[in-house]
Amino acid sequence: TQLLEQSPQFLSIQEGENLTVYCNSSSVFSSLQWYRQEPGEGPVLLVTVVTGGEVKKLKRLTFQFGDARKDSSLHITAAQTGDTGLYLCAGATSLDSNYQLIWGAGTKLIIKP
Amino acid sequence: ETGVTQTPRHLVMGMTNKKSLKCEQHLGHNAMYWYKQSAKKPLELMFVYNFKEQTENNSVPSRFSPECPNSSHLFLHLHTLQPEDSALYLCASSPHFVGGNEQFFGPGTRLTVL
Repeated sequence: TQLLEQSPQFLSIQEGENLTVYCNSSSVFSSLQWYRQEPGEGPVLLVTVVTGGEVKKLKRLTFQFGDARKDSSLHITAAQTGDTGLYLCAGATSLDSNYQLIWGAGTKLIIKP
Repeated sequence: ETGVTQTPRHLVMGMTNKKSLKCEQHLGHNAMYWYKQSAKKPLELMFVYNFKEQTENNSVPSRFSPECPNSSHLFLHLHTLQPEDSALYLCASSPHFVGGNEQFFGPGTRLTVL
């Protein structure tokens, strides 16, 4: 069974602080996606990383794909209250010719003003 | 607004009721998905439709019955549900049924089974 472990499960910090959340697996993924889900809404894609070692930046958010394509991190600089939400990672893989997205359980992030 | 709508947004039903969830996508995508989201658990993929044909049924109990009349609409028919079926049910679509494709989600239906 392929698993994606996300850590921490929950994080509550003050506005202006930095934070990093992690997405780890023993499986290799062809690509990895990060989504953010706000209360009452469905997940929305933030970024897709494809190449081992790849770093992508989205304003204050920095995403990195591990060299072996088994793990990923999301770093937020100077967090804002608008960053509050559930952050989900999802790894794309093909198993027996069936493409699958393997989902993590998410990191619930609360940014306090 | 993601281009995927779901109705109803909230549903409370008894174990003997029959109800249906509706999903519509306005993105011209070919693949549609039903997911179950429970607190602190990964999204559980329930069903996948690609070009209106069901391609995945991940051991979902028969009390959940999907229907895809065309590539823009997806239904989930519910009957004789159990309290443990209470969850957020998300519909998603993607251009094609390929693992690396971005999935576009609707806002979900919050289902409570009494």
